[in-house]
Amino acid sequence: DQQVKQNSPSLSVQEGRISILNCDYTNSMFDYFLWYKKYPAEGPTFLISISSIKDKNEDGRFTVFLNKSAKHLSLHIVPSQPGDSAVYFCAARPGGSNYKLTFGKGTLLTVNP
Amino acid sequence: KAGVTQTPRYLIKTRGQQVTLSCSPISGHRSVSWYQQTPGQGLQFLFEYFSETQRNKGNFPGRFSGRQFSNSRSEMNVSTLELGDSALYLCASSLPRSTSAAPAEQFFGPGTRLTVL
Repeated sequence: DQQVKQNSPSLSVQEGRISILNCDYTNSMFDYFLWYKKYPAEGPTFLISISSIKDKNEDGRFTVFLNKSAKHLSLHIVPSQPGDSAVYFCAARPGGSNYKLTFGKGTLLTVNP
Repeated sequence: KAGVTQTPRYLIKTRGQQVTLSCSPISGHRSVSWYQQTPGQGLQFLFEYFSETQRNKGNFPGRFSGRQFSNSRSEMNVSTLELGDSALYLCASSLPRSTSAAPAEQFFGPGTRLTVL
């Protein structure tokens, strides 16, 4: 049973436009959500996160939105750059001292020059 | 600040052998988690250690084990290797306490690529 789902395996956008990556979850116990960027044969790089007590968090070109009632979060990248091309993983974990991250399958983002 | 380091970066073993992977967390981080990444299953949680104690565990067989030392460095061991254990093994470190107001971020190392022949 996939508790974190990224339904789009891939996304292609033009440089300078907005990239929107989506993630859905089913577990109501998730309290903290993270986005990671990953290149092949490398570890995931932390991008941005959001706690369940917030509905938006911004960091430069990256914004994450959380809709708890819909159990949905999204990552917006504006403007998109070719260097953003990578696989993006959505991850979630419960609150407290449980650090187990549950990951989605990832979305391959390609930003075309 | 130096990031999470993992050694070795690449490893080739044969079925039935055992392997030990090492992880050094970011300075000051006392929580260390291990993950397995495979093409079919994606990223899956193995276990998490804090203060030399296993705090959380994923759904992996007992062949997968780990430990943490007093300096927060961690090792994971896989015994009786199977072909299906071929994967990228990732370690993540974090501050040990997390609240909704101040959640602890988790940072990953580059991984160890294990190939079982």
